[in-house]
Amino acid sequence: EVQLVESGGGLVQPGGSLRLSCAASGFTFSSYGMNWVRQAPGKGLEWVSYISSSSNTIYYADSVKGRFTISRDNTKNSLSLQMNSLRDEDTAVYYCARRGNSYGFDYWGQGTLVTVSS
Amino acid sequence: DIQMTQSPSTLSASVGDRVTITCRASQSISSWLAWYQQKPGKAPNLLIYKASSLESGVPSRFSGSGSGTEFTLTISSLQPDDFATYYCQQYNSYSGTFGQGTKVEIK
Repeated sequence: EVQLVESGGGLVQPGGSLRLSCAASGFTFSSYGMNWVRQAPGKGLEWVSYISSSSNTIYYADSVKGRFTISRDNTKNSLSLQMNSLRDEDTAVYYCARRGNSYGFDYWGQGTLVTVSS
Repeated sequence: DIQMTQSPSTLSASVGDRVTITCRASQSISSWLAWYQQKPGKAPNLLIYKASSLESGVPSRFSGSGSGTEFTLTISSLQPDDFATYYCQQYNSYSGTFGQGTKVEIK
């Protein structure tokens, strides 16, 4: 069974940093591109970042470029998102999601809440 | 960047109704479009990929069509479990932009 489990969320002050992790199991992690998607309270989905299976290709949304860094460790079946210079508007539930062979996001974690507030 | 626009934002319907949601891309994305269903407090669930292909395990009452810049998601006979919010997503580029969502409510 495919499982994605996020961790690392919490309360952080504006300007602070946080590192999210996503533990993957039940599939060959090193064969799939992975994404982070976020959802602010009561709002829609916003794609945040993508990393290819071998980390050769990385993309970011303009809203986080230069502040967030996506990475993965295929030996540990783990995906990470380092978030620096956090702003109030970064408050959201953050999901990791697998990009399936059809390119849709076919598996999602349960999400981890990040709250940026003083 | 490619922008995705869904309509309507909210839709009121009854069980058994045929429901159609539209998604427009700001430029051609060929058939690189997915549809998701999301219920409150839950992660999204992939329904349709490549504009018209049904994800495994998804009921056949869901269907997708379109290419280029105009796409539709149709629910042929709305069931109680289908009241949720639906999102389209383009993946022509690696940005994976989502539409703003369509909430399907009970009439």
